[in-house]
Amino acid sequence: AQSVTQPDIHITVSEGASLELRCNYSYGATPYLFWYVQSPGQGLQLLLKYFSGDTLVQGIKGFEAEFKRSQSSFNLRKPSVHWSDAAEYFCAVGRSGNTGKLIFGQGTTLQVKP
Amino acid sequence: DVKVTQSSRYLVKRTGEKVFLECVQDMDHENMFWYRQDPGLGLRLIYFSYDVKMKEKGDIPEGYSVSREKKERFSLILESASTNQTSMYLCASTPDRVGGRNIQYFGAGTRLSVL
Repeated sequence: AQSVTQPDIHITVSEGASLELRCNYSYGATPYLFWYVQSPGQGLQLLLKYFSGDTLVQGIKGFEAEFKRSQSSFNLRKPSVHWSDAAEYFCAVGRSGNTGKLIFGQGTTLQVKP
Repeated sequence: DVKVTQSSRYLVKRTGEKVFLECVQDMDHENMFWYRQDPGLGLRLIYFSYDVKMKEKGDIPEGYSVSREKKERFSLILESASTNQTSMYLCASTPDRVGGRNIQYFGAGTRLSVL
């Protein structure tokens, strides 16, 4: 069965430090992969997506993610974190059958220290 | 910009009440979704609709029903609210009926407390 795992429930980084949020998926074929961010009290906003092609994808707010098929991973990175990046981050994979439905990971809460 | 609007940000209801959560999207999207969000569990799909009057159960449909009488509106119904339905509810929509590449657009969520 398809699944998405975000191993880190909570991460704290200092402002200006680099960030990597981990995401592992289970899916037989080439997956459609997404990262969403949820600021406090808000809905989810798409950060970036991977469908095919270049395995390093750029998103909004200075985020990027790298698809590694051999590791079944799609980790999210940012070189220098800002206080406004404090939020909850969700990795998601498109479900098989091209239905448009997604399977979400458990989420990672990012706290940014001044 | 796509706008998905959920009618209430916060709701407090009593056990046994019938509860309606409303969601409206303004971009003529085909697909609409209702999710439940709980800490440590991520988002879980409750119901999905790919057309007017069409619906499909998601992963956790028990205790819920839905209604889609118009393309832009998708309602989630708790027939008899229970305390274990206290949660954040998120509505989303996507443009096309078929397409794994669809980006989901989310509303701001409704935080429901059942007392």
